[in-house]
Amino acid sequence: QLVLTQSPSASASLGASVKLTCTLSSGHSTYAIAWHQQQPEKGPRYLMKVNSDGRHIKGDGIPDRFSGSGSGAERYLTISSLQSEDEADYYCQTWGTGSVVFGGGTKLTVL
Amino acid sequence: EVQLVESGGGLVTPGGSLRLSCAASGFTFSAYAMNWVRQAPGKGLEWVSCISSSSSYIYYADSVKGRFTVSRDNAKNSLYLQMNSLRAEDTAVYYCARSTSNFLDYWGQGNLVIVSS
Repeated sequence: QLVLTQSPSASASLGASVKLTCTLSSGHSTYAIAWHQQQPEKGPRYLMKVNSDGRHIKGDGIPDRFSGSGSGAERYLTISSLQSEDEADYYCQTWGTGSVVFGGGTKLTVL
Repeated sequence: EVQLVESGGGLVTPGGSLRLSCAASGFTFSAYAMNWVRQAPGKGLEWVSCISSSSSYIYYADSVKGRFTVSRDNAKNSLYLQMNSLRAEDTAVYYCARSTSNFLDYWGQGNLVIVSS
């Protein structure tokens, strides 16, 4: 069964960098995933797609501070030069057999 | 500019029905698969349904199969979700989202559905 696993929470200081992780379940390590950001009281926003080779393709208007990478079954979202507006929930997403799959989300707190 | 605007939500009693709509603009609607995703209060994102560009392929989450029906009208650039036999656990903000190669790349602002007596 295809499952995406994310840590429930993360924190980092203003101006620092943070790396969020999304782990694909066993047997699915070659899957690409997408990262979505959901700021408080807002709808989700697509950030980027991260392929199994670690290459990423960003959505329209996504700042250079956001980047993606991968290793094995893990896909990463790195946010550098953290700003207050980066405080949000971050979800990874992929496609299984006839269904969209979401990770549980990571709540990022900017200190 | 891609825009997705949901409408049709509101308060409904358990067992009732509701039809959500999503008006799309800024892209060739007929060329893209579309999705419904929901988010219960304080919870994460839950995918509900996907419909291919020509309606040839339709998929549902197990939690709504047999109760919800997704459809689209490409001439009207619109996506729909007919929700029947609604339950308290269907209470959520419902989002429509566009798919590009199975990844959701644009989202609407969401529409709240409350199922309560």
